Amino acid sequence: DADVTQTPRNRITKTGKRIMLECSQTKGHDRMYWYRQDPGLGLRLIYYSFDVKDINKGEISDGYSVSRQAQAKFSLSLESAIPNQTALYFCATSGRKTGGLAGALPDTQYFGPGTRLTVL
Amino acid sequence: AQSVTQLDSQVPVFEEAPVELRCNYSSSVSVYLFWYVQYPNQGLQLLLKYLSGSTLVKGINGFEAEFNKSQTSFHLRKPSVHISDTAEYFCAVSRFTGNQFYFGTGTSLTVIP
Repeated sequence: DADVTQTPRNRITKTGKRIMLECSQTKGHDRMYWYRQDPGLGLRLIYYSFDVKDINKGEISDGYSVSRQAQAKFSLSLESAIPNQTALYFCATSGRKTGGLAGALPDTQYFGPGTRLTVL
Repeated sequence: AQSVTQLDSQVPVFEEAPVELRCNYSSSVSVYLFWYVQYPNQGLQLLLKYLSGSTLVKGINGFEAEFNKSQTSFHLRKPSVHISDTAEYFCAVSRFTGNQFYFGTGTSLTVIP
């Protein structure tokens, strides 16, 4: 089974609709991230969370919100989708395992398979 | 602030030829450095990383990269590419003091038979 899963994998919606993308991980990591990928722009950070009670904006958070429902779950919402939010969205995890040794090095990010969102 | 520049958006190369994908970064603090690969219709996966120690880092699939602090570069190399190396490659940095990652815009490597 995949360590980082995203649902749905593909979604087509209309302008103005509310959309939620979900991410779950079984790696036991404390840190989770949402990125969007656009051709020629690479990956840009939307939001990140270092713990259930910690939510931080990334470089392009406008128009998005997130919820860290549990250590293993991090969802991204588009309250009112617009066409320029059409993109490929990735969830990622990193960091020491929950309950692991303090002071562990920040480390590799592990990515989910992505959600392709189209807003018409 | 950190930024990552991948100088080449597309690199075509013939099979079994060597390749170098360039990455430069700017940061006022020390960083960790990473290269990720994205195969068609897949998520990103780690190729290699530099955290400390030897500046020459070896990764999976025969790739290696060299950290050059004076030139703030972390170029990726492979001496002989294979068709299966066709993919998008991303350079990324992370600060020592945090765990935000900053990605470059990617280099599309196409291996020609």
